[in-house]
Amino acid sequence: KAGVTQTPRYLIKTRGQQVTLSCSPISGHRSVSWYQQTPGQGLQFLFEYFSETQRNKGNFPGRFSGRQFSNSRSEMNVSTLELGDSALYLCASSLGTGVTGELFFGEGSRLTVL
Amino acid sequence: QKEVEQNSGPLSVPEGAIASLNCTYSDRVSQSFFWYRQYSGKSPELIMSIYSNGDKEDGRFTAQLNKASQYVSLLIRDSQPSDSATYLCAVASGGGADGLTFGKGTHLIIQP
Repeated sequence: KAGVTQTPRYLIKTRGQQVTLSCSPISGHRSVSWYQQTPGQGLQFLFEYFSETQRNKGNFPGRFSGRQFSNSRSEMNVSTLELGDSALYLCASSLGTGVTGELFFGEGSRLTVL
Repeated sequence: QKEVEQNSGPLSVPEGAIASLNCTYSDRVSQSFFWYRQYSGKSPELIMSIYSNGDKEDGRFTAQLNKASQYVSLLIRDSQPSDSATYLCAVASGGGADGLTFGKGTHLIIQP
């Protein structure tokens, strides 16, 4: 059974640009959650999608957005990149809603903003 | 502001001994608790979940929950060098509006 797949794995952007990250969950999983991981703040919740609807959203500015497609694949977008957006972005899928279910994480997309 | 606190370590434990990892949380209505393990350069993987007060055992791992004290712990028996990793405590509130709140993790080192 294939795991959670995230693309791209690594990317470098400059301030002011935008970026789109992609996540394909485990087959059959309907919930996709996104987290930002940095050395200083640890893992922080961005948002969760379940059956194409955003169910929960963390305390991040509106520059961070996401969506989920009918096949459960998800994308997150960060616009007007700032240096502080440099982080590992982790996607996690689960059968039920991400809060009460077991999360399976992808390998992450490491974003560097110059 | 919901918080999950862990001692960052490193926590050094001899091989074969019991490693004890602790976590406290601030949100009294939290209902779901998880321990994730993260190897350096890898993504987190779930090792234990616990939802009610008391102990839950799975192989060499035991999770302990005390909601009155807002305290969660993870015991690793017969520690192996392969257990060396960062252990993340995660907590979910009842409504789940804030997703999982993670602690910053405890770096565990098992000394051969």
